[in-house]
Amino acid sequence: AQSVTQLGSHVSVSEGALVLLRCNYSSSVPPYLFWYVQYPNQGLQLLLKYTSAATLVKGINGFEAEFKKSETSFHLTKPSAHMSDAAEYFCAVRIFSNDYKLSFGAGTTVTVRA
Amino acid sequence: ETGVTQTPRHLVMGMTNKKSLKCEQHLGHNAMYWYKQSAKKPLELMFVYSLEERVENNSVPSRFSPECPNSSHLFLHLHTLQPEDSALYLCASSQAGTSGANVLTFGAGSRLTVL
Repeated sequence: AQSVTQLGSHVSVSEGALVLLRCNYSSSVPPYLFWYVQYPNQGLQLLLKYTSAATLVKGINGFEAEFKKSETSFHLTKPSAHMSDAAEYFCAVRIFSNDYKLSFGAGTTVTVRA
Repeated sequence: ETGVTQTPRHLVMGMTNKKSLKCEQHLGHNAMYWYKQSAKKPLELMFVYSLEERVENNSVPSRFSPECPNSSHLFLHLHTLQPEDSALYLCASSQAGTSGANVLTFGAGSRLTVL
């Protein structure tokens, strides 16, 4: 079964500091990988997706993620945190191209300290 | 309106009530989804409809009954719920096909509280 693990349910960073959110997947074939963000009282919004075109993927709001097959990882980073980055972040995976569903990690809540 | 719209945004119901959640998408997508989001747990896929046919039902209790009358509308009918069913219910849509990269677009969710 496909699965995704997010390490750390909560991350606290200072404004201007690096944001690093960890995601590892379990799959014997290269999967399709996604990062979503959920702001308070809102639904999930796509940040970026990996589709095998390039291992470094750039998304919205200055976020990027790197696919590392050898580590089965797809960690999300942002060089400089902003107060508006406070939210919950979800990593998701789809293994087969004709599979409808996404399997989500448990999420990581980011708080940003002034 | 654009995107995926869910109503109501908040719902409080007793265990013997019957209520429905509504979802409408204006994106021309051909697949719609219900997810359940509970605190401290991963999102749980409940139902998937593709071209108005149910293609996935993840062992959801029968007290949850989905309905997809057309490709733009999705309902979740609720009956005789339990307090543990209190959660945020998220609707999503996508253009499902042969690309694994197709993206789910989510609504803002319906916050359900069962007393």
